[in-house]
Amino acid sequence: QQQVKQSPQSLIVQKGGIPIINCAYENTAFDYFPWYQQFPGKGPALLIAIRPDVSEKKEGRFTISFNKSAKQFSLHIMDSQPGDSATYFCAASMTGNTGKLIFGQGTTLQVKP
Amino acid sequence: SAVISQKPSRDICQRGTSLTIQCQVDSQVTMMFWYRQQPGQSLTLIATANQGSEATYESGFVIDKFPISRPNLTFSTLTVSNMSPEDSSIYLCSGNLAGGETQYFGPGTRLLVL
Repeated sequence: QQQVKQSPQSLIVQKGGIPIINCAYENTAFDYFPWYQQFPGKGPALLIAIRPDVSEKKEGRFTISFNKSAKQFSLHIMDSQPGDSATYFCAASMTGNTGKLIFGQGTTLQVKP
Repeated sequence: SAVISQKPSRDICQRGTSLTIQCQVDSQVTMMFWYRQQPGQSLTLIATANQGSEATYESGFVIDKFPISRPNLTFSTLTVSNMSPEDSSIYLCSGNLAGGETQYFGPGTRLLVL
């Protein structure tokens, strides 16, 4: 019940394409859902996050869609660029639980020029 | 925001030895976390460290193997004890600023045990 399942494991798109990464969770106590971006040799960095009271959040070219009833959320990258090539992790946490994050398995994205 | 640094950035160690990884934050953080990440894999939480109290370990991780110190709000250490090749991994620390929900990560320590 503590798991966050992420798919696909890897993704290749052409420049300008819209890669979509999906995550699903079971624990309805989760109330904070961040996405992290990690480049090789670096630590993860927060990209965008959402709470269940909204169904969509946009920050620049990155959009989170959230479906509370289905317990699913996804990351869309608009007009993807080669510089977006990285590994993306979804995560979940619950308020009052020290803030510890449960991470999905990760998606390696390659954006071809 | 917070900037987190880790020392060492990488190390090669012999089995049976111990390595202490340092994590320094440029701001005061409430909770600090230690993760392990195998190359190409996801992050697995080892423990949560709160200042002034013993760390809370996740299932499969024990204090004797991974002792943690948290002497103040900007610093923590993780020791990997009695290392074996199975401990070869990337170790990351992270922290949340007081009142904030964003978790900031260090660059990681790449450990190879021979």
